[in-house]
Amino acid sequence: EADIYQTPRYLVIGTGKKITLECSQTMGHDKMYWYQQDPGMELHLIHYSYGVNSTEKGDLSSESTVSRIRTEHFPLTLESARPSHTSQYLCASSGEFAPGEKLFFGSGTQLSVL
Amino acid sequence: RKEVEQDPGPFNVPEGATVAFNCTYSNSASQSFFWYRQDCRKEPKLLMSVYSSGNEDGRFTAQLNRASQYISLLIRDSKLSDSATYLCVVNRPDSWGKLQFGAGTQVVVTP
Repeated sequence: EADIYQTPRYLVIGTGKKITLECSQTMGHDKMYWYQQDPGMELHLIHYSYGVNSTEKGDLSSESTVSRIRTEHFPLTLESARPSHTSQYLCASSGEFAPGEKLFFGSGTQLSVL
Repeated sequence: RKEVEQDPGPFNVPEGATVAFNCTYSNSASQSFFWYRQDCRKEPKLLMSVYSSGNEDGRFTAQLNRASQYISLLIRDSKLSDSATYLCVVNRPDSWGKLQFGAGTQVVVTP
């Protein structure tokens, strides 16, 4: 089993609130990712990091921000949540290099913004 | 056109039967291919990598056809526990370290 953890598992929050989704891994992986997934749809990459102090935006434009101050920790923050942010957010990590990538996923955070 | 396309299904399969489905990818330079399994409202988990020569893992067989740019997954002797969505995943040669996920093929195994 992969050692990557996300909290909270479910979050229901009102519009305008600031939220932080936590993601931690204990595998020492350099690469970490945040994906967004809506029901029946593919995963979309919203942020990634290849190491400490490295963060990049993914393919899907997102109002969220991320930080990578420690190898094991990759939190995602929304300054002002809106109903359009309602989705499942999946954190993943990988210790391998291109071209093959085996991703280990956390159990996800289901975010509902009212 | 999507980079990775899959038949969404559902494929309704009697227990013990065989089911197979494909996934097509658009970038001929892709080199790495995977099948992930995702249960309802859960995270994706790697099922198997797909190698050029084809590979088997128990009841699961994956094939790669580079000429036609598709990969396939075959499940033999289906179990109820095989019910899930199967995600086709392909590396993106233009973006080092990134993967492209298909939307998934749903398989429902019935008693």
